[in-house]
Formats: sequence, structure tokens, C-alpha cells
Amino acid sequence: DTGVSQNPRHKITKRGQNVTFRCDPISEHNRLYWYRQTLGQGPEFLTYFQNEAQLEKSRLLSDRFSAERPKGSFSTLEIQRTEQGDSAMYLCASSLDGTDGYTFGSGTRLTVV
Amino acid sequence: TQLLEQSPQFLSIQEGENLTVYCNSSSVFSSLQWYRQEPGEGPVLLVTVVTGGEVKKLKRLTFQFGDARKDSSLHITAAQPGDTGLYLCAGAYTNAGKSTFGDGTTLTVKP
Repeated sequence: DTGVSQNPRHKITKRGQNVTFRCDPISEHNRLYWYRQTLGQGPEFLTYFQNEAQLEKSRLLSDRFSAERPKGSFSTLEIQRTEQGDSAMYLCASSLDGTDGYTFGSGTRLTVV
Repeated sequence: TQLLEQSPQFLSIQEGENLTVYCNSSSVFSSLQWYRQEPGEGPVLLVTVVTGGEVKKLKRLTFQFGDARKDSSLHITAAQPGDTGLYLCAGAYTNAGKSTFGDGTTLTVKP
């Protein structure tokens, strides 16, 4: 297992466009998390899955954001009608039970111009 | 309102010096993690502490969980330039879905 994989590493998009990011977690991990991080801040929780079920979604996540984890394997995070404020590093992580720490991917750096 | 407060926000020291960074909260956590993050990369897990008063050592790094499980500290002995990075703490609750992160301490170790 090569750890948590995120694609793409970098994405530049024009305001108003839709973008989709992919995360492939460690195969034995049933929990998958999405966080967002901006410069000078710690990771901010967006949503998490246990297997294929989306169990929690941050109130900070607007209706333009949606995440899926079909079949409890990889996950996608879609942002519709991107805004400049969406520019950030989007981090995916996986875990066995959530209290034992996370394994993070390298992140997707989104720049909205 | 920041659930986890980390201090100092920035720390710049010379190689060979010792340092301590802190993670404080008013909440009781079932476990607390420390991560180290380099620019452009995701955080890397260093340690998980779960028992009040627990001390864990990882080479030159010593982690302590407060007796009340509300705070933690990270002490680095004889810092090296390779220790440079953003140190994040994160708290987790039993049966809760997510961990909550502090904003980190940015450490720079100068050769």
C-alpha cells in the first residue's frame, strides 16, 4: 500500500468553473476525511465517511460542495461554481477508527483565478 | 472560537537548542495527536497520546498529555534543521467523527 493518494496535486481554475478532486485511502481504513487548509491555519474539517456512508458534514460547507465515496473505497470532492475564497489546500486522510490518528495524502492545491 | 490553542505561533531557534511548544484546550479529549507538516505536503502523524499524564518519546521528541487530558506539550532536545516545519496538534473524542486541529507552531531551526 502506498498510503493515501490525492489527485491532482495542483489545480488552477477560473472562477465559476466546477472542479473535482479524488482521494484513494489506505485500503484497510474504513474512515475517510476531507479537510481544507489555508495559509497560516490548521486543517479545517469538511466531511467524513465511514465506509460509503457520509456521517458528518461541516456547517461551513456550502451547497456548492459535495463529496461521495461509492463502494466505500475512493472518494471524490466536487466544488461547483468555484469562488476565489475556495482557494486552499484540500487534504484527504484515512483512519482505522478515528482516534488513532490520521494518514494524510499530499493534498490538492486549488487556485481560483 | 479556536478549540485548540497552540503556542507559540512562530519559533525560530539555533541548531542544538531545546524547545517546548504547547497545545491547550478547555475540552477533554479521548486522544490527542501531534503532526508535523512541511510546505506543500500533508501532515505526518508523529504520536497519539490517550492517557492523562502519559509521556511518549520519539528519539529527541518528548510528548506529554496533561493529567486532565485537556492539554499537551512537545519538547524537542538539541533541535536540528531537519526539525523545521509546522507542528500541529489535534484532539479527538470517542464516538465523534472528526479530529479538531489547532493552527500550529511554525518552527525554524537555523544551522
